[in-house]
Amino acid sequence: SAVISQKPSRDICQRGTSLTIQCQVDSQVTMMFWYRQQPGQSLTLIATANQGSEATYESGFVIDKFPISRPNLTFSTLTVSNMSPEDSSIYLCSVDHQGGTDTQYFGPGTRLTVL
Amino acid sequence: GDSVTQMEGPVTLSEEAFLTINCTYTATGYPSLFWYVQYPGEGLQLLLKATKADDKGSNKGFEATYRKETTSFHLEKGSVQVSDSAVYFCALSDIRGGKLIFGQGTELSVKP
Repeated sequence: SAVISQKPSRDICQRGTSLTIQCQVDSQVTMMFWYRQQPGQSLTLIATANQGSEATYESGFVIDKFPISRPNLTFSTLTVSNMSPEDSSIYLCSVDHQGGTDTQYFGPGTRLTVL
Repeated sequence: GDSVTQMEGPVTLSEEAFLTINCTYTATGYPSLFWYVQYPGEGLQLLLKATKADDKGSNKGFEATYRKETTSFHLEKGSVQVSDSAVYFCALSDIRGGKLIFGQGTELSVKP
């Protein structure tokens, strides 16, 4: 499986600010995914990020709030913009490591608290 | 739309007890099915998977069989350990877009 790292691992932010989360993979992957896990809840997909194209957002998530970059096949960023306490969650990136399969491997997550 | 339903937790067991966590799904077509585990303070780890009907996924003593007739993928382990304490997520792959759809998670606590 791929080795996936995320930065930062956790952060505490003030309302109205923005935070950019980085996801780095140790091998080239086609598809990267960003999920949100709200406290005590399951995971919900925010968007799918493919290199060379704009991210595809799920219903309820918009680019102005969660802009995503995918500059190459090993890296992606997710920005949480104009944060409010409701954005307090764990944000996880995942990859389809083997390409063409449907098995995803997850990073360790970024635990975000918004005050 | 596609969905996954898991038994509610928390589930509390004594060490060496038998574990079953129920998972049923609704899906178009024949998705792959997964169990992920999240240990306290950590990200998700793939525990096992099955890609077609009657497949059995297994890992670390855990097993689950893809049952198309009952649309189920129940997780079992014959003898749990304290180190198995975690949250377990059942998931299916959306065949149209590659995303995973998760159940609500089941917290397992194993007492010595």
